[in-house]
Amino acid sequence: ETGVTQSPTHLIKTRGQQVTLRCSSQSGHNTVSWYQQALGQGPQFIFQYYREEENGRGNFPPRFSGLQFPNYSSELNVNALELDDSALYLCASSARDRLEAFFGQGTRLTVV
Amino acid sequence: DQQVKQNSPSLSVQEGRISILNCDYTNSMFDYFLWYKKYPAEGPTFLISISSIKDKNEDGRFTVFLNKSAKHLSLHIVPSQPGDSAVYFCAASRTGYALNFGKGTSLLVTP
Repeated sequence: ETGVTQSPTHLIKTRGQQVTLRCSSQSGHNTVSWYQQALGQGPQFIFQYYREEENGRGNFPPRFSGLQFPNYSSELNVNALELDDSALYLCASSARDRLEAFFGQGTRLTVV
Repeated sequence: DQQVKQNSPSLSVQEGRISILNCDYTNSMFDYFLWYKKYPAEGPTFLISISSIKDKNEDGRFTVFLNKSAKHLSLHIVPSQPGDSAVYFCAASRTGYALNFGKGTSLLVTP
C-alpha cells in the first residue's frame, strides 16, 4: 500500500507566476484535501475534493483552484502568486467514511 | 478566527516522564478530534483520535482525553521517549467537514 506522495518537494517561483502542485492519494482513498501551512502556524484548509468535485473550501481566494482525477490523484493550482503564498502545501487523503486524513510530505513553495 | 488553540508553543520533558499536551476549541459543533505528530521536512503523521461520544481513547503509550464541557482535550504520552520529540498538532472536525488545526506544540524529550 503506497502512502500519499507530493511533487515537487521544493519550488521557487516569482511573484505573479502560476504554479501547479501534484498529489497522489493513498491507495483506497477517494477524498483529497489541500492545506497551506505558513511558518509557525498550523495547516489551514484550502479545499477538498471527492469524486472529482470540490466538496468544501476554506477562506482562500479563487486564484487557488484544484482538480481531482479519476484515479483520485489531485492538483493544486495557484495563479498570480503573491509573496504571502510562500508556505508548505500539504495534501491529505482519506476514505470517505473516515475522518483520519493521511498527509504527504508537502511541497515547500517560495515566492520571490 | 482560531477555533482550535494550543497555548503552549513548546514543552520540555525528561525521558521516561509523562508528556501532557493541551488543546482548547471554541466550536461546540466539533465532534471528532485528532492529534498529529510532525517531524521537520515531513508531513503530519496521524497519531490518535477521539470522537465526542467518548472521553478517553488509548493506544499504547498515547492517551487522549476529551472534556466536552470545558471544550478541552489533552494528549498524554507515557513514558516519553527521545523519538517523541516533534511538533504535535491538535485538530478538530465536524463530521463531513475539514480539519481545523491548532498552531502546534513543540515537544522536546531530553535523555
